Amino acid sequence: EADIYQTPRYLVIGTGKKITLECSQTMGHDKMYWYQQDPGMELHLIHYSYGVNSTEKGDLSSESTVSRIRTEHFPLTLESARPSHTSQYLCASQDRDFYEQYFGPGTRLTVT
Amino acid sequence: QKEVEQNSGPLSVPEGAIASLNCTYSDRGSQSFFWYRQYSGKSPELIMFIYSNGDKEDGRFTAQLNKASQYVSLLIRDSQPSDSATYLCAVIATYQAGTALIFGKGTTLSVSS
Repeated sequence: EADIYQTPRYLVIGTGKKITLECSQTMGHDKMYWYQQDPGMELHLIHYSYGVNSTEKGDLSSESTVSRIRTEHFPLTLESARPSHTSQYLCASQDRDFYEQYFGPGTRLTVT
Repeated sequence: QKEVEQNSGPLSVPEGAIASLNCTYSDRGSQSFFWYRQYSGKSPELIMFIYSNGDKEDGRFTAQLNKASQYVSLLIRDSQPSDSATYLCAVIATYQAGTALIFGKGTTLSVSS
């Protein structure tokens, strides 16, 4: 079983608040990813990282930012949450030599 | 823009039948293909990957790849109600800093007992 964790699992927050979604993995994987998934829709890559101090934007334009100060930690921050940010956010990690991605349990965010 | 297309379904099969899930992709240069299963409200989990043309079997699952037709499929034999889930097809795409997976919308499978 993959050791990748996300907190909180569920979050309901008001418009304008700053939030940070946490993602940690204990597998020592260099590559980490953030996806956004609306119900019944595909996963959209919003950020990825290939190692410490490396972050890139993905396909889907996102107002979120990420940081990678430690290998095991890849938090995602929304400076000012809006209802359009309501979605499920999935974090994943991958060993550099293999293509299998391990997913965390996800954070379901609702902005009111 | 690289794309992965799947029929969203739902695909309904009776218990014990063969379920066939299909996926097409736009990038002829794609080399690696993945099938993930996602139960409702859960995260995706990898069930198979395939790199070479032909068939790859793992238990009740068989992945089939035809690069000339840009087509990859997943067969589930002896389908069980526990197989009811959304199946996501994914291919590797190249980005500025490296590679990442692009996922299709998924096909929802319903197996009735």
